[in-house]
Amino acid sequence: KNQVEQSPQSLIILEGKNCTLQCNYTVSPFSNLRWYKQDTGRGPVSLTIMTFSENTKSNGRYTATLDADTKQSSLHITASQLSDSASYICVVSDRGSTLGRLYFGRGTQLTVWP
Amino acid sequence: EADIYQTPRYLVIGTGKKITLECSQTMGHDKMYWYQQDPGMELHLIHYSYGVNSTEKGDLSSESTVSRIRTEHFPLTLESARPSHTSQYLCASSGPSGAKDSRTGELFFGEGSRLTVL
Repeated sequence: KNQVEQSPQSLIILEGKNCTLQCNYTVSPFSNLRWYKQDTGRGPVSLTIMTFSENTKSNGRYTATLDADTKQSSLHITASQLSDSASYICVVSDRGSTLGRLYFGRGTQLTVWP
Repeated sequence: EADIYQTPRYLVIGTGKKITLECSQTMGHDKMYWYQQDPGMELHLIHYSYGVNSTEKGDLSSESTVSRIRTEHFPLTLESARPSHTSQYLCASSGPSGAKDSRTGELFFGEGSRLTVL
């Protein structure tokens, strides 16, 4: 069964600290993995996309990693800000948008305290 | 910034009422989707469309219906709302075939419609 598991379920950190969110998946075949950020009461917004051949990709203070062998991805947030408080959702695609489907994790709820 | 809009943002109605959630996008995307999201749970696909006059049911069974008469418009209708329909409904779209993002399938989401049925 294709699944996407995220951990931790929730996380509280102090402003300025770093944190790492995890995503493990069993989706096969694998096409790509995206991390989305969803602010409270808003729709998700894509942060990064990882394809099979990519190991690391950065988007500002966000760095995503992918280990396709172990089927694990992480999202590292550096020097957290209050605006980073949100749910971070891992989404795995099995064949890309044309023919494939998307598998969603339940998200990690991150709270950044001042 | 994505140009996809949902109305209403919040709706509180009584049981048995008919409701329509509106979704429009100005990006010319062929593919549009409706997702249902409950607190702490993953998004569930309830309907999708690959183009005008094309609609399909998603993975999660839903009593709602959709239509796609125009490329930019993908409304969702509940003929008779019940408390079990209380949820957040998210509309999304993705790029047309041949576009840079079509293979990788980035979804552009609306702000969501939070429905409460009393």
